[in-house]
Amino acid sequence: EVQLVQSGAEVKKPGESLKISCKGSGYNFTSNWIGWVRQMPGKGLEWMGIIYPGDSDTRYSPSFQGQVTISADKSISTAYLQWSSLKASDTAMYYCARLPPDTYSFDYWGQGTLVTVSS
Amino acid sequence: SYELTQPPSVSVSPGQTARITCSGDALPKQYAYWYQQKPGQAPVLVIYKDTERPSGIPERFSASSSGTKVTLTISGVQAEDEADYYCQSADSTGTYEVFGGGTKLTVL
Repeated sequence: EVQLVQSGAEVKKPGESLKISCKGSGYNFTSNWIGWVRQMPGKGLEWMGIIYPGDSDTRYSPSFQGQVTISADKSISTAYLQWSSLKASDTAMYYCARLPPDTYSFDYWGQGTLVTVSS
Repeated sequence: SYELTQPPSVSVSPGQTARITCSGDALPKQYAYWYQQKPGQAPVLVIYKDTERPSGIPERFSASSSGTKVTLTISGVQAEDEADYYCQSADSTGTYEVFGGGTKLTVL
């Protein structure tokens, strides 16, 4: 069974750094792209970027390029999303999701990680 | 940056047909995908590659494509279909993907 398990909720202050994780299981982690999606409170889905764990090829939405870093450690089947300096506007639910072969859709999703940034 | 446009809301009575549209200049060249999201839950893929339905998705969910517009059709709407629906597709270069703004489907 394919599963994506994300790290727990975080409460941070503006300016702090953060790295959240997404551990995949039940499939060949290195052979599927995995991506991150933001959902701000009461708002829609936003495509942030994707990474291919096999070679760490990464693609970002122009809206998120330079704002976050997506990485992966294939040895432990885990993808990451990190910030070097959080802002209050980063408060959101963040989902990781798997891309099946040959499409850019997301077929399996993590449960989401709620990030709250507040002074 | 590239945008996909959806109506904010659609309302239908149970048993009727709901149609949710998604417009974007690159849709003739790029696949579209559709997701259903219920409150407090992660999204669920209901359509991929324009018209394909993943296993486990009811047959009442279908989709079509015409020029710069794609349409998700839910036939015989049920109360459980009340949710937010999002389209997703790529920009003309295929460099990155975007989601539409989402459509809230209300079952009256």
